Amino acid sequence: AQKITQTQPGMFVQEKEAVTLDCTYDTSDPSYGLFWYKQPSSGEMIFLIYQGSYDQQNATEGRYSLNFQKARKSANLVISASQLGDYAMYFCAMRVLYSSASKIIFGSGTRLSIRP
Amino acid sequence: SQTIHQWPATLVQPVGSPLSLECTVEGTSNPNLYWYRQAAGRGLQLLFYSVGIGQISSEVPQNLSASRPQDRQFILSSKKLLLSDSGFYLCAWSLTGGTLESFFGQGTRLTVV
Repeated sequence: AQKITQTQPGMFVQEKEAVTLDCTYDTSDPSYGLFWYKQPSSGEMIFLIYQGSYDQQNATEGRYSLNFQKARKSANLVISASQLGDYAMYFCAMRVLYSSASKIIFGSGTRLSIRP
Repeated sequence: SQTIHQWPATLVQPVGSPLSLECTVEGTSNPNLYWYRQAAGRGLQLLFYSVGIGQISSEVPQNLSASRPQDRQFILSSKKLLLSDSGFYLCAWSLTGGTLESFFGQGTRLTVV
C-alpha cells in the first residue's frame, strides 16, 4: 500500500534561518512523483516543488529544495532564509500510478511557525 | 491557461439536508479530477478520483458520492448530510502526464449543523 508519513506536527524556525520538513513515503511502484504543497490560513493549496522518481538531481525552486534520498524513501523539504510569510501548513504528497488510474495521496502535514 | 472553479466557498447546511458541490476546470481536456476532505487541523483525505467521464473511484466508504457528467465537471453529493461531513472540501485536477502535479480549487468550507 502507498503511504506518506510526516512525523512533525509542528516546527519552529527563526526568521532568516533554514528549516527541514521531513517526509517519508512507501510504495512498490517504480514510477512515482513526490510533491510539496503549502497551505496558508486562507486554505488554498499552493504547489511548491516536484521530484520525479527517476530524477537524478534534487529539485530546487527558489528558496525551496527537495532532499530526495530514494534508498531511504525520504523526500524532505528544505526552506532556506525563512520569512514570516512562510507560516503555513506544509503537505508532502505522492502520485502513484495504479492501472489506468492515477491518484495523489497526502501526508498529515507539518505546521511551520516563524520566530521573528 | 488552465483554471479550476469550485463553489460555493462556504456552506452551512442542516443535518439531513442534501449536498451538491460543483467543480469545473477550464483550459484542459481529459484531466484527472479529485475530491479531498480536510478536517480542521488535519491532512487531506482523498475521497474520490476520476480519470474520465462517468468513471469514479471511491477511496473511503461514506455518506458521499461523486459524479462526472462532463469531461471538466466534477460534482460531490450527499442525499442526507451528517454532522461528521463537516470539513473543508477541495477539488483538484491533474494532467495524465508531465510533472503530474495537482492544481487545487479554492475549497468549500462546509459546516453541518
